[in-house]
Amino acid sequence: AQKITQTQPGMFVQEKEAVTLDCTYDTSDPSYGLFWYKQPSSGEMIFLIYQGSYDQQNATEGRYSLNFQKARKSANLVISASQLGDSAMYFCAMGPKNAGNMLTFGGGTRLMVKP
Amino acid sequence: DTAVSQTPKYLVTQMGNDKSIKCEQNLGHDTMYWYKQDSKKFLKIMFSYNNKELIINETVPNRFSPKSPDKAHLNLHINSLELGDSAVYFCASSQVQGVYLFGQGTRLTVV
Repeated sequence: AQKITQTQPGMFVQEKEAVTLDCTYDTSDPSYGLFWYKQPSSGEMIFLIYQGSYDQQNATEGRYSLNFQKARKSANLVISASQLGDSAMYFCAMGPKNAGNMLTFGGGTRLMVKP
Repeated sequence: DTAVSQTPKYLVTQMGNDKSIKCEQNLGHDTMYWYKQDSKKFLKIMFSYNNKELIINETVPNRFSPKSPDKAHLNLHINSLELGDSAVYFCASSQVQGVYLFGQGTRLTVV
């Protein structure tokens, strides 16, 4: 069974500063994928970034980067230069590496960006 | 063009009614899913449908049934709606590694 833990129910960050959202996982699968999604108050689930367990480099997508530490089973999301529009719920999720499989989600972190 | 679209966005209905939520993806993905997000924002898989193979989460009541007329569509039909069914339901699709996209969600309110 897979398990995702997000230990920060809520966080504040000052606009233009960087913030790290924590995610730890547990799985017995030898290969897997890790995802981050953003859910603004409007409700949609927006894909942010993906990391495969055998990827050599940490994933980056614009202001988003994933700090992947396999030995520690952590996949933290780093948002650089926070913007007011980054205020939202953020979900970490994992799934088996093969396509066509279900994701297991963490409980989410609510990020609030202060002007 | 919206990759994964679901309708309606909002659905308010009375207990005991039967309702459907429609989902369509234009990505050519083989696999589609339904997820449920409860009032505490927790997301949980309900169904996975891959090339006509249905994988059911055993905790889902059999009042919920997915119906897939073709690879691009996966609808969710709910019979005899109960108050506890109120939630946000998300459709999703995936294919290649790392691509896993969600629809905009349907907020179901049972009164």
